[in-house]
Amino acid sequence: GPKVLQIPSHQIIDMGQMVTLNCDPVSNHLYFYWYKQILGQQMEFLVNFYNGKVMEKSKLFKDQFSVERPDGSYFTLKIQPTALEDSAVYFCASSLQGSDYTFGSGTRLLVI
Amino acid sequence: AQSVTQPDARVTVSEGASLQLRCKYSYSGTPYLFWYVQYPRQGLQLLLKYYSGDPVVQGVNGFEAEFIKSNSSFHLRKASVHWSDSAVYFCAVSADSGGSNYKLTFGKGTLLTVTP
Repeated sequence: GPKVLQIPSHQIIDMGQMVTLNCDPVSNHLYFYWYKQILGQQMEFLVNFYNGKVMEKSKLFKDQFSVERPDGSYFTLKIQPTALEDSAVYFCASSLQGSDYTFGSGTRLLVI
Repeated sequence: AQSVTQPDARVTVSEGASLQLRCKYSYSGTPYLFWYVQYPRQGLQLLLKYYSGDPVVQGVNGFEAEFIKSNSSFHLRKASVHWSDSAVYFCAVSADSGGSNYKLTFGKGTLLTVTP
């Protein structure tokens, strides 16, 4: 079936640097999401995005985080500057409507 | 706000045995309920979902779940497990409000180990 692609699959970055996580959603989907999963724990909602706007963000979505999808290209999550506690797996998801998500395989981010 | 409780962090069953993974949710409205499976180093794959209608929903690979409103539960079941079912299983709830907010709230997951 259709897939959500996440690039890169792994990223190691020095604390304080900027990182951009890229997500290529399913082509006709309209809603986009980022979730964060710390090793061995549950997935936690970060943000959802629709019609070019952030619809809702959680308390985990710090001021250092931002999302955008310029001109229908990648849906990106940018963290600037990064902190040690940002180390996690970040999952992108998209849906056409409702909660029928398609998840990507995740980007494993390690901040050192 | 919605929440999900999966009381069993780990479950071990023998291959061929039956399985039940427990899930209870908290939400004041009508919930949309999901079970996902996560294999190592992979994303989530949808097993089944409940929106409305028949409270027993069938999913992929022989999984089913039953929505019991009076108990706020949505337990996952399988009649006979296979070693390849070993994975982490997440229960999730969505409070679709008719707006543009379709976020999922997940439980902490249950690690299923199927032994020979």
